[in-house]
Amino acid sequence: DGGITQSPKYLFRKEGQNVTLSCEQNLNHDAMYWYRQDPGQGLRLIYYSQIVNDFQKGDIAEGYSVSREKKESFPLTVTSAQKNPTAFYLCASRPRGGWDNEQFFGPGTRLTVL
Amino acid sequence: AQRVTQPEKLLSVFKGAPVELKCNYSYSGSPELFWYVQYSRQRLQLLLRHISRESIKGFTADLNKGETSFHLKKPFAQEEDSAMYYCALSGLGNNQGGKLIFGQGTELSVKP
Repeated sequence: DGGITQSPKYLFRKEGQNVTLSCEQNLNHDAMYWYRQDPGQGLRLIYYSQIVNDFQKGDIAEGYSVSREKKESFPLTVTSAQKNPTAFYLCASRPRGGWDNEQFFGPGTRLTVL
Repeated sequence: AQRVTQPEKLLSVFKGAPVELKCNYSYSGSPELFWYVQYSRQRLQLLLRHISRESIKGFTADLNKGETSFHLKKPFAQEEDSAMYYCALSGLGNNQGGKLIFGQGTELSVKP
């Protein structure tokens, strides 16, 4: 089964804890993205990576960290410094190069801070 | 500033009625515009893009550079069109990391 997978589907965290969200793709895409989806605010870019071992901050990177050690994987860590982490997190990927900027999305992880 | 605005949070229409979801953008370069759709319990997926000028599921959208708009239209709404719709913008080409800027989203509800 090809595509983008995210795990877990639901995640609960206590205040003060770090938590890591998984994103894996087998589409051979170079670029990967993390978005946060909140009601009434659309999707906001957290971090993105165009190639292995390289990543850039998006619009709301504070309190988050990422790594890109493998092409297939782009995990997101929500740290205790993130003031309002409860949200729906979406991972996306895109082939690098060419003119088409369409992104393909995973099913999402809903994070709730208790 | 680069921005996408969807003025309606919720749009409610009856089955068979025309529907128009508004999208306005602000972008200094050459934009690439998209409409993404998220049906209940499904992942976000591309509906259509301005470059291909295609009609998907009866929906069309025309890029109006003069009015900086990319409104989504369908002449006869169906109940299965009920979903959250997002307008998104990217810089044409690959020189900005392929980042997408999303609007706030419009929830379309089609009543029987």
